Amino acid sequence: ETGVTQTPRHLVMGMTNKKSLKCEQHLGHNAMYWYKQSAKKPLELMFVYNFKEQTENNSVPSRFSPECPNSSHLFLHLHTLQPEDSALYLCASSQGGGGQQFFGPGTRLTVL
Amino acid sequence: QQQVKQSPQSLIVQKGGIPIINCAYENTAFDYFPWYQQFPGKGPALLIAIRPDVSEKKEGRFTISFNKSAKQFSLHIMDSQPGDSATYFCAASGSGAGSYQLTFGKGTKLSVIP
Repeated sequence: ETGVTQTPRHLVMGMTNKKSLKCEQHLGHNAMYWYKQSAKKPLELMFVYNFKEQTENNSVPSRFSPECPNSSHLFLHLHTLQPEDSALYLCASSQGGGGQQFFGPGTRLTVL
Repeated sequence: QQQVKQSPQSLIVQKGGIPIINCAYENTAFDYFPWYQQFPGKGPALLIAIRPDVSEKKEGRFTISFNKSAKQFSLHIMDSQPGDSATYFCAASGSGAGSYQLTFGKGTKLSVIP
């Protein structure tokens, strides 16, 4: 295992539901990331947090709301999602920038 | 300018063959080029990475070749095995402490036939 855990591993939700994805890293890293992985598309960086401060938000719709209470935990709060938001959501962490990122196993999200 | 173009989209080789996956980039500020391997149900895992001060890096059966002038880099897998069947992603970023954005290629699904 990489030292990055994600829960739940699978999630099915309706468009009116509110749910949250959780990520925890046990590597002592100071940066955490949310990525979206869709079929036949490159991994898309959604958010970056460095020392709990959001440093990047790549034009992500407001129906995705990240939260980083400390350097080890990252959440992605979901509400009023669309079917096209169905994808694998990956969390990653790193020690600073410009180097290796360690990925969790992902949460497979299906929006009905 | 932020794109990384990866080819082929899929690749089938016989066991023992040498699959080659190619990537090209435009942004000359990129100076860190990792390859990630992803198995079904798992997140991507770093396989090997190179910085542009060298033209080749080898780790076990995996080799990256880097051509700075052409802005291209490739992954070679020597003596490929069925266990190497996975999706491979190239990526690129700056190497500074503030460079958090990894730009990924679309991935290559490799199948190694026994």
